[in-house]
Amino acid sequence: GQQVMQIPQYQHVQEGEDFTTYCNSSTTLSNIQWYKQRPGGHPVFLIQLVKSGEVKKQKRLTFQFGEAKKNSSLHITATQTTDVGTYFCAGTEYGNKLVFGAGTILRVKS
Amino acid sequence: KAGVTQTPRYLIKTRGQQVTLSCSPISGHRSVSWYQQTPGQGLQFLFEYFSETQRNKGNFPGRFSGRQFSNSRSEMNVSTLELGDSALYLCASSIGPQEYNEQFFGPGTRLTVL
Repeated sequence: GQQVMQIPQYQHVQEGEDFTTYCNSSTTLSNIQWYKQRPGGHPVFLIQLVKSGEVKKQKRLTFQFGEAKKNSSLHITATQTTDVGTYFCAGTEYGNKLVFGAGTILRVKS
Repeated sequence: KAGVTQTPRYLIKTRGQQVTLSCSPISGHRSVSWYQQTPGQGLQFLFEYFSETQRNKGNFPGRFSGRQFSNSRSEMNVSTLELGDSALYLCASSIGPQEYNEQFFGPGTRLTVL
């Protein structure tokens, strides 16, 4: 079945350092969504990417969708303690359901 | 606009019992999806209901079932509970099908099976 792999599983950075999480699918995706879950909270939608090669920015966050629509990344520039949480990607294979990656846990040392 | 609400927030049951969880979506949202979240398995999709019909289903045994009412509220039922069913159960609503629309998650129901 459809699988979405996400790496790394866990990252611990110093405040001010950059952070990137990657999402890979063995099949072509129609779209990909990103969510953030703070400790003790519930997932909150960040963005959806639909077009091949699409790049979207939200302040310090940059989201990319690969040209082949099989991978995606989320990059955070100059992390802050408020960035702490688990970042999930969720991809959809054409005509199929949304599948979540396992998530990347981000910890930020101040 | 009120967010997604789930009841109860916490539940303790014993093996073999059954449980019903409830989810009220955001007003106007027609899709409700259910997820199981555990530390080791991440977010596992259970099913999605759209306009009272099950639209998609994950890889869970038949002990897990759900339904959606005409007002879009949804319930999830787990029968013959097992220890491994202990998890946070999240529901999410969206205005349209889950795979193409922003999902709004509720706070979850924490189920503990003893």
